[in-house]
Amino acid sequence: AAGVIQSPRHLIKEKRETATLKCYPIPRHDTVYWYQQGPGQDPQFLISFYEKMQSDKGSIPDRFSAQQFSDYHSELNMSSLELGDSALYFCASSLRTGGYDEQFFGPGTRLTVL
Amino acid sequence: EDQVTQSPEALRLQEGESSSLNCSYTVSGLRGLFWYRQDPGKGPEFLFTLYSAGEEKEKERLKATLTKKESFLHITAPKPEDSATYLCAVTMDTGRRALTFGSGTRLQVQP
Repeated sequence: AAGVIQSPRHLIKEKRETATLKCYPIPRHDTVYWYQQGPGQDPQFLISFYEKMQSDKGSIPDRFSAQQFSDYHSELNMSSLELGDSALYFCASSLRTGGYDEQFFGPGTRLTVL
Repeated sequence: EDQVTQSPEALRLQEGESSSLNCSYTVSGLRGLFWYRQDPGKGPEFLFTLYSAGEEKEKERLKATLTKKESFLHITAPKPEDSATYLCAVTMDTGRRALTFGSGTRLQVQP
């Protein structure tokens, strides 16, 4: 079965640089979520999109922005990177229409800020 | 404040030694409770969704149960390949679908 695809899998950036993470949800899923997981921590919700519209916002810094495109893929844009942004970034997708809450996670992008 | 608390933080079992992991929650209105398995450096893998007190779900050696205050993940006769971090997460009935996670239980099963 098709899974959530994330790219790149690893990314190394310098402080103050920008980064773009991409997410391709499971086909026919209508909702995308972004989570950040720091070392030894649980995933923290950043932002979500339902049918290409922002549906919810969590603890996402103002330096970050995201969008969902017409083909349902999503991008997380991160600017003015800080050392503390080093983390695993997960994208998850779900089929919200019909009341399905289960979220399926991608393999993650490991961002290292030097 | 909505909270999800998992215990124990870490658990070491011998192969075949059954045990239970606990997830207690204090939320204003629970919509659903989810169990995930996470291997190091990988994305959480969906295991179960529970919606109502009294509900139970099983998958191979795992069984999840839900009460009005907590959920248990029972592991029967575990094998070394069951070693992972098990995460509990909830969604609230506010309409928000984002998951609020507990801090997880790190399970190690020794042969």
